[in-house]
Amino acid sequence: EDQVTQSPEALRLQEGESSSLNCSYTVSGLRGLFWYRQDPGKGPEFLFTLYSAGEEKEKERLKATLTKKESFLHITAPKPEDSATYLCAVQDSGGSNYKLTFGKGTLLTVNP
Amino acid sequence: DSGVTQTPKHLITATGQRVTLRCSPRSGDLSVYWYQQSLDQGLQFLIQYYNGEERAKGNILERFSAQQFPDLHSELNLSSLELGDSALYFCASSPGTGIATGELFFGEGSRLTVL
Repeated sequence: EDQVTQSPEALRLQEGESSSLNCSYTVSGLRGLFWYRQDPGKGPEFLFTLYSAGEEKEKERLKATLTKKESFLHITAPKPEDSATYLCAVQDSGGSNYKLTFGKGTLLTVNP
Repeated sequence: DSGVTQTPKHLITATGQRVTLRCSPRSGDLSVYWYQQSLDQGLQFLIQYYNGEERAKGNILERFSAQQFPDLHSELNLSSLELGDSALYFCASSPGTGIATGELFFGEGSRLTVL
């Protein structure tokens, strides 16, 4: 069964203090790894898709990277508006094309 | 705004009751997905419909059922409710049959509280 573990569960940063969130996964074969952002009271919002080890994607202060066992979401010089829960999900190449398996997320708080 | 509309936003009911959650996907999207989010389990995939047909099932209980109508809106029916069914229920949509790019468009969810 596909498994996704995110760490830390919660992270508190000062504005401008860069850090990384981790997503470790277990799948029989990886079709894709996805990062989403979820604000309180809202649905998840898509950020990135990574397909193969070594791939990187960037968007503003966020950069996602992928290895064969894990993915990192690097946050450079974060701002308070980056505060949210960041969710990682995987799609198994051996499974249906429809199911994403999500981790429980990392709650990021950026203080001004 | 993702373009996915869910109603109601909040629902409080009693054990043993039945409720219906409604979802309107983004204009043009043919696939609708239902997810359950609880504090201890995270986001769990329940079921997917594509153009009116069931395409995939996840961890959906037998007490739960769903359907997608010709106008592409979907309903999730939860019956014989238990305290443990209290959760956020999200609907998401995508253009095609699968999730090729991983990009699902989520609604704002329906928060169900079972007392």
